[in-house]
Amino acid sequence: DAGVIQSPRHEVTEMGQEVTLRCKPISGHNSLFWYRQTMMRGLELLIYFNNNVPIDDSGMPEDRFSAKMPNASFSTLKIQPSEPRDSAVYFCASTLSGGGYEQFFGPGTRLTVL
Amino acid sequence: SQQGEEDPQALSIQEGENATMNCSYKTSINNLQWYRQNSGRGLVHLILIRSNEREKHSGRLRVTLDTSKKSSSLLITASRAADTASYFCATDEDGNKLVFGAGTILRVKS
Repeated sequence: DAGVIQSPRHEVTEMGQEVTLRCKPISGHNSLFWYRQTMMRGLELLIYFNNNVPIDDSGMPEDRFSAKMPNASFSTLKIQPSEPRDSAVYFCASTLSGGGYEQFFGPGTRLTVL
Repeated sequence: SQQGEEDPQALSIQEGENATMNCSYKTSINNLQWYRQNSGRGLVHLILIRSNEREKHSGRLRVTLDTSKKSSSLLITASRAADTASYFCATDEDGNKLVFGAGTILRVKS
């Protein structure tokens, strides 16, 4: 298996632009997580899905952020409009649901908003 | 909010020495996991210890868990330069969601 796949790996955009981050989880995993990592705030959980259904989105910073999982093999995290303070590394991770399992992380998307 | 808090924030040791990192948490947990992150990479799972376990080993890694003190430690024995990375503990509260600590930056000098 190729592991969790994220695209793009790097994204540089200007303030006000829409940004879409993509994630393909490991086949067979039914839980998917979006995290954001910054020096100031560390690793924060934004939202997670079980069986394509959003379970906990309490970490989504504000309405500018939205996430979807239209099927078991694809998820997107969208920021519209983007702001400089959104600059961070965004990770997607997947696992089997039910607890007690390790999470497998993708390589991350480094987002820079100018 | 961060559940696990690692200590120390940074650790610098010589190759061959042992490295110990500690993690404290606040609420009841189902299990606790340790992850490693190399610079510019995603996190990689190292070891999971369940709430009814006290100690677990995996290669050069030894993890302990004290639920009465709400703390865990990660010991890396005979460290190598390749162990240089950030190490995070993560607690499992609701069966799926992990809450990560701020991490310990380990530097192993050769």
